[in-house]
Amino acid sequence: EIVLTQSPATLSLSPGERATLSCRASQSVISYLAWYQQKPGQAPRLLIYDASNRATGIPARFSGSGSGTDFTLTISSLEPEDFAVYYCQQRYHWPPVTFGQGTRLEIK
Amino acid sequence: EVQLVESGGGLVQPGGSLRLSCAASGFTFSNYAMSWVRQAPGKGLEWVSGMSGSGDVARYADSVKGRFTVSRDNSKNTLDLQMDSLRAEDTAIYYCAKGKAPVDMVFDFWGQGALVTASS
Repeated sequence: EIVLTQSPATLSLSPGERATLSCRASQSVISYLAWYQQKPGQAPRLLIYDASNRATGIPARFSGSGSGTDFTLTISSLEPEDFAVYYCQQRYHWPPVTFGQGTRLEIK
Repeated sequence: EVQLVESGGGLVQPGGSLRLSCAASGFTFSNYAMSWVRQAPGKGLEWVSGMSGSGDVARYADSVKGRFTVSRDNSKNTLDLQMDSLRAEDTAIYYCAKGKAPVDMVFDFWGQGALVTASS
């Protein structure tokens, strides 16, 4: 099973700042990595798939990069609605599909 | 507009059974893989099971293999999850999630979830 480790666990930033979230895989997942955003009481929402492709309707301030074992989600300038929990997910080796443990992005 | 609506959640005693259903609309159901993903209270996301668009491929997480069975009816646009021998650790919100392709585990749409509580 591929283990995804996200860092940091919690990130405290202010609106307008740049956020950088990391996801490291225990073995290569090529580029088969996705990012999801989840707000309290809501279902997750797909942001990025295949490492760098924005999903439909996702603002351009969200971008993804990386390949192999190291991936990054960047939010260029934080909006108030961006404060949430973010999960990475791999589908290269499945079953099982695996998720990271999440990064909580909170308002400083 | 894509819609996924889960039903069938509830309280069940450990060792009992429950069947979840997901009603899909707004897309050609048989063209897309579907999965169940769960989230225990205050915890992260865990993939439970996935099925190809045609229904000929089904896969499970080790934690539910042999206890849970996924199925789909492409004529009714429904995805089901039969859960037997439930344990306390199966307590979670269960989300139905749509794949981006016939055999794809990128989840581009999610339902709002069904709460399953296994407790005496």
